[in-house]
Amino acid sequence: KAGVTQTPRYLIKTRGQQVTLSCSPISGHRSVSWYQQTPGQGLQFLFEYFSETQRNKGNFPGRFSGRQFSNSRSEMNVSTLELGDSALYLCASSYQGTDTQYFGPGTRLTVL
Amino acid sequence: KQEVTQIPAALSVPEGENLVLNCSFTDSAIYNLQWFRQDPGKGLTSLLLIQSSQREQTSGRLNASLDKSSGRSTLYIAASQPGDSATYLCAVRRGGNEKLTFGTGTRLTIIP
Repeated sequence: KAGVTQTPRYLIKTRGQQVTLSCSPISGHRSVSWYQQTPGQGLQFLFEYFSETQRNKGNFPGRFSGRQFSNSRSEMNVSTLELGDSALYLCASSYQGTDTQYFGPGTRLTVL
Repeated sequence: KQEVTQIPAALSVPEGENLVLNCSFTDSAIYNLQWFRQDPGKGLTSLLLIQSSQREQTSGRLNASLDKSSGRSTLYIAASQPGDSATYLCAVRRGGNEKLTFGTGTRLTIIP
């Protein structure tokens, strides 16, 4: 069974631009969660989607948004990028959302 | 607000030794707890998930225990190997529809 895939793996953007990251969950999984990982803050929860509905949201500004499609694939969007948005963005999938989380390899975003 | 602490932040042990990693959480009313490992620059790999009704889970050389009343979980690694070198993170889910809260991790180095 294929694992969680994330595209692209690396991104370099400049301040003010926007970016869209993609996550394809394990086949059959209905929940996708997104996390931001930085050396200073560790792993911070962004949001969770379950069957196309946002079920949970972390404490991030409205510049961070996401969505989930009917095939469970998810995208997150960050608008008006700031230097502090540079991070490893991880997505995780699971069948129910409360069970074992399977993580993708992440997207490394660098904002210049 | 659930807070998760992992001490020490870094640990070095000689190959072959048994070791214990610690995870403490402030709110004992948890739904489940999960242990992960993360290799540098990579995503997280799930190791073990313990439901709130369980006391321990085992997988190969790994054993995770849970003591909700004291707000603690431990990950026991038997006969450590250089390939066990990684950062180990624990994550706690407080309720069935709530997010995972991660600890800051313990960076483990196994010395050959």
